[in-house]
Amino acid sequence: DAGVIQSPRHEVTEMGQEVTLRCKPISGHNSLFWYRQTMMRGLELLIYFNNNVPIDDSGMPEDRFSAKMPNASFSTLKIQPSEPRDSAVYFCASSSPTGATEAFFGQGTRLTVV
Amino acid sequence: AQSVTQLGSHVSVSEGALVLLRCNYSSSVPPYLFWYVQYPNQGLQLLLKYTSAATLVKGINGFEAEFKKSETSFHLTKPSAHMSDAAEYFCAVSVRWSGGGADGLTFGKGTHLIIQP
Repeated sequence: DAGVIQSPRHEVTEMGQEVTLRCKPISGHNSLFWYRQTMMRGLELLIYFNNNVPIDDSGMPEDRFSAKMPNASFSTLKIQPSEPRDSAVYFCASSSPTGATEAFFGQGTRLTVV
Repeated sequence: AQSVTQLGSHVSVSEGALVLLRCNYSSSVPPYLFWYVQYPNQGLQLLLKYTSAATLVKGINGFEAEFKKSETSFHLTKPSAHMSDAAEYFCAVSVRWSGGGADGLTFGKGTHLIIQP
């Protein structure tokens, strides 16, 4: 399996622009997670889905952030409008419905908002 | 809700010395516990996991961790450090619901492991 695939790997955008991050989970996994990593706050869980349904979005910092999972093989995280403080590495991860709950992480998207 | 505390944001050891990274957790139900490693500009890679099958868990790259319920700890050890072990290490906790779903992993702040030659 190719693992969790995220795109783009790097994104530089101007303040106020819309940003869309994409994720393809591992086939057969039914849970998908979006995390944000910064030096100041470490790894934060933004939102997660089980069977394509958002379960907990309490980690989404503001209404400017939204996430969708239209099917089992694709998810997006959108920031509109973007701000410099959104600069971070955003990770997508997925986990299997059986066994332990370990998450498998993508390589991340490094977002820079200038 | 679950939480994880990692003691020491930076740990420095000499090459060949014992590595000990500390992790304490809090959970109202029996947890799953994990250690992940992150190399620069990389995603997180699973080192090992505790799933209640055995309290001493062996992982990749010679690492192991012991689950101690009485101490609510899950410390990571490696008998002999190697230069390639230099990285960021994260302890994480999660629980599984009775219906089959799972909470997202809750991570500690991470420990930066420095290996001195």
